[in-house]
Amino acid sequence: AQTVTQSQPEMSVQEAETVTLSCTYDTSESNYYLFWYKQPPSRQMILVIRQEAYKQQNATENRFSVNFQKAAKSFSLKISDSQLGDTAMYFCAFMKQGGSNYQLIWGAGTKLIIKP
Amino acid sequence: DAGITQSPRHKVTETGTPVTLRCHQTENHRYMYWYRQDPGHGLRLIHYSYGVKDTDKGEVSDGYSVSRSKTEDFLLTLESATSSQTSVYFCAISEKVVTEAFFGQGTRLTVV
Repeated sequence: AQTVTQSQPEMSVQEAETVTLSCTYDTSESNYYLFWYKQPPSRQMILVIRQEAYKQQNATENRFSVNFQKAAKSFSLKISDSQLGDTAMYFCAFMKQGGSNYQLIWGAGTKLIIKP
Repeated sequence: DAGITQSPRHKVTETGTPVTLRCHQTENHRYMYWYRQDPGHGLRLIHYSYGVKDTDKGEVSDGYSVSRSKTEDFLLTLESATSSQTSVYFCAISEKVVTEAFFGQGTRLTVV
């Protein structure tokens, strides 16, 4: 069974700093997808970034980038030039590619606080 | 924003009563999901649907049933609510399995 672990329950940084959220996962699959979702206080889940395991290049979306280490089963999220609006819960999630199992496996989340 | 609406947004109910939560989408997406969110657990899949009348169980399906009679509606029913089902419930939709999933704003359910 796949598992996703986020070892940092809470982090806080000053505005404009760079912060890295960690995520590790356990799977025997070779083809899969990894996601980072953001949940602000409004409670709505918002996709931040997605990585296909077969791609060696790390995904980036503006200030958000990942460090995907397939052999180490690590998928960290880096937020550059952090902004107050980045304050939220961040969830890492895993999905196996193919088959009939459409389940996203989620980590427990990291609460990120950006301080002014 | 994706057109996905959950109702009700908040509900308090008594143990043993039936409860139905509704998820309505206007995106014509094929896949719909029900999750529950509890502290320390992230999101856990309850049931999902891959088409009208096509549903399957997730990892925490006991005590829940679903129905999808129309593409746009996905209902989650707690046949006899228990205190352990107090949670925040999220509906999500996606066009394909591994495209972005869009989430509703959640329903906070309290079983007393």
